[in-house]
Amino acid sequence: AQKITQTQPGMFVQEKEAVTLDCTYDTSDQSYGLFWYKQPSSGEMIFLIYQGSYDEQNATEGRYSLNFQKARKSANLVISASQLGDSAMYFCAMREGSGGYQKVTFGTGTKLQVIP
Amino acid sequence: NAGVMQNPRHLVRRRGQEARLRCSPMKGHSHVYWYRQLPEEGLKFMVYLQKENIIDESGMPKERFSAEFPKEGPSILRIQQVVRGDSAAYFCASSPWRQNTEAFFGQGTRLTVV
Repeated sequence: AQKITQTQPGMFVQEKEAVTLDCTYDTSDQSYGLFWYKQPSSGEMIFLIYQGSYDEQNATEGRYSLNFQKARKSANLVISASQLGDSAMYFCAMREGSGGYQKVTFGTGTKLQVIP
Repeated sequence: NAGVMQNPRHLVRRRGQEARLRCSPMKGHSHVYWYRQLPEEGLKFMVYLQKENIIDESGMPKERFSAEFPKEGPSILRIQQVVRGDSAAYFCASSPWRQNTEAFFGQGTRLTVV
């Protein structure tokens, strides 16, 4: 079974509109962390936002927020007021395991294109 | 405070040659992770190292691939006798301790095997 599932290979959004990128995860651990990374065409991986499994509040970082629904095992990324520079690949990822180190599993990504 | 540094950024090798990818973690970080990204795919975990120790190499191919993180100097991912299927982007990440909220990624090395 896939640990991280991103069902949207590609998305379009109008500039200044909000967009939601879906992510569901599968784990039996009680303690885990969820991440979103942005990969622009230049190729680097840019950390956007993090949600711990015990965090009661949804994480927010500027225009990024993570809609964490633990019972449904979903961790959707919401980008408000989209900008042209938001066009990129977006990866959802999960850190799990009681072994104490940060082995992270990535989803296959969603390609977001912002339309002027 | 420099971030995670990977070099080279781009590497071209002929089939059968060796590829050496270097990763210098952020200052103060003693944990290094290597990931591989095949075209149109997400990142796949390869190996996790601490200084002078390989902790988890469950994602490493059994043959031709090796990694090290010596006491001094960068972490090295070594691919011997490269084949076309090794063409990918290889990312290194570092963190200061075992459980951290994020790993800091380098810009990646794009390996092309011709």
